[in-house]
Amino acid sequence: NAGVTQTPKFQVLKTGQSMTLQCAQDMNHEYMSWYRQDPGMGLRLIHYSVGAGITDQGEVPNGYNVSRSTTEDFPLRLLSAAPSQTSVYFCASSFTSGGANEQFFGPGTRLTVL
Amino acid sequence: AQSVTQLDSQVPVFEEAPVELRCNYSSSVSVYLFWYVQYPNQGLQLLLKYLSGSTLVKGINGFEAEFNKSQTSFHLRKPSVHISDTAEYFCAVSVQGGSYIPTFGRGTSLIVHP
Repeated sequence: NAGVTQTPKFQVLKTGQSMTLQCAQDMNHEYMSWYRQDPGMGLRLIHYSVGAGITDQGEVPNGYNVSRSTTEDFPLRLLSAAPSQTSVYFCASSFTSGGANEQFFGPGTRLTVL
Repeated sequence: AQSVTQLDSQVPVFEEAPVELRCNYSSSVSVYLFWYVQYPNQGLQLLLKYLSGSTLVKGINGFEAEFNKSQTSFHLRKPSVHISDTAEYFCAVSVQGGSYIPTFGRGTSLIVHP
C-alpha cells in the first residue's frame, strides 16, 4: 500500500494564481481531510469529507475548495492564492467508526505564495 | 465540543534524560486520545492511542502515556530520550460515538541535545 500520497511536494505561486493540491489514498478510507500547519498554530482543519460526494467545511475554509468524486481522491483547490495561504498542507484519511481510528497523514505540500 | 491543550510549546532535554510532554483535554463526554509524532519535513504518524481499558498505554520507540480521567490529562513520557526523538509531538482527542473528526493540540517541539 502506498498509504496517503500528496503532490506536489513543493510549490511557489504568485498572488492571484490558482492551483490544485492532489491527495490520494489506497486504504478504502471513508474519511479524508485537509489541514494546514503554521508555526505555533498546530494543525487547522480546512475541509473534510465522509465519503464520495460529501464534503464539509472545517475551521479555516475560506479561499479553498474541495470535491470528492471518488473514495480515493480528495483534491484541494486554491481559487486565488494569497500570501496568507503560505503554509504546509497535509492530507489525512481514516475509517470513521465513531472516532476510534487513527488518522493516516500524507507527507505534505509546502506552498509559498509571493 | 472538545479541546486539547499542550502546555509546553518547546521542551529541551539532554540525551538519555527522561522527558514528559503534557496534554490536557476538555470534553463533556468520554473520549479517545492519541499522540502523533512529526519528524522534520515529514507527515504525522501515530505514536500511541488510548481507547479503553488499561490507563497506561505503550507506543512505538519506547514512549508511553497515562490516561488520567480525574485530571483530564494524557501525558506522554519516555524514560531515556535519544537524539532521534527530536520531533514535533501532537496530542489529539475525539469523542466516543460522536464526530470522527479529531481535535489536535498546537504541538510540542521536543529538542534533544547531545
